[in-house]
Amino acid sequence: DGGITQSPKYLFRKEGQNVTLSCEQNLNHDAMYWYRQDPGQGLRLIYYSQIVNDFQKGDIAEGYSVSREKKESFPLTVTSAQKNPTAFYLCASSIDVGSRVPSGELFFGEGSRLTVL
Amino acid sequence: RKEVEQDPGPFNVPEGATVAFNCTYSNSASQSFFWYRQDCRKEPKLLMSVYSSGNEDGRFTAQLNRASQYISLLIRDSKLSDSATYLCVGTSHLSGGYNKLIFGAGTRLAVHP
Repeated sequence: DGGITQSPKYLFRKEGQNVTLSCEQNLNHDAMYWYRQDPGQGLRLIYYSQIVNDFQKGDIAEGYSVSREKKESFPLTVTSAQKNPTAFYLCASSIDVGSRVPSGELFFGEGSRLTVL
Repeated sequence: RKEVEQDPGPFNVPEGATVAFNCTYSNSASQSFFWYRQDCRKEPKLLMSVYSSGNEDGRFTAQLNRASQYISLLIRDSKLSDSATYLCVGTSHLSGGYNKLIFGAGTRLAVHP
């Protein structure tokens, strides 16, 4: 079955540690995204990539880093510089390469819940 | 001011009821709008697009009012399985003339027997 796989589902981290969240898709989509969801807030865009070897900062990129070495993979690293990293992280892909009139359909992974102790 | 604003709810309705959610957006240049559904502790999934002329998908009707900058979602004959959070989504510009999706915080619906 085609889809997006995120791992791990749950992650606990001590303050000062970097962690990397995995995101793999087999939908053959060019565009991939990372969002963060906090209670009472909408999804906020961290980073996005429209093509392999290229990525752009979203609205809240500080304290995060990404890579896009393969079309299928878009891992997110939450660094120790991120002040408030506890959140639900969602990876998504779309067939639109940030289309001027997007179809609106993002395919999301099941998410990764990160808790900083 | 948030770009997309929704009443967080919860809306508690009995089965069979009709319920409507509204959503307002601040960016008059937004071109496209959508409703997503998110079940508790799950990922969001696209419910439907919103067209200027209004559109229906079974028991769900979406409307867009560009003059007043609001979007609505009407659910008729509510089912227990409709219980979820409904996310209103607009668009905003990325660099290079492309668009990104802007998510509202969501409206929670609880349908009870």
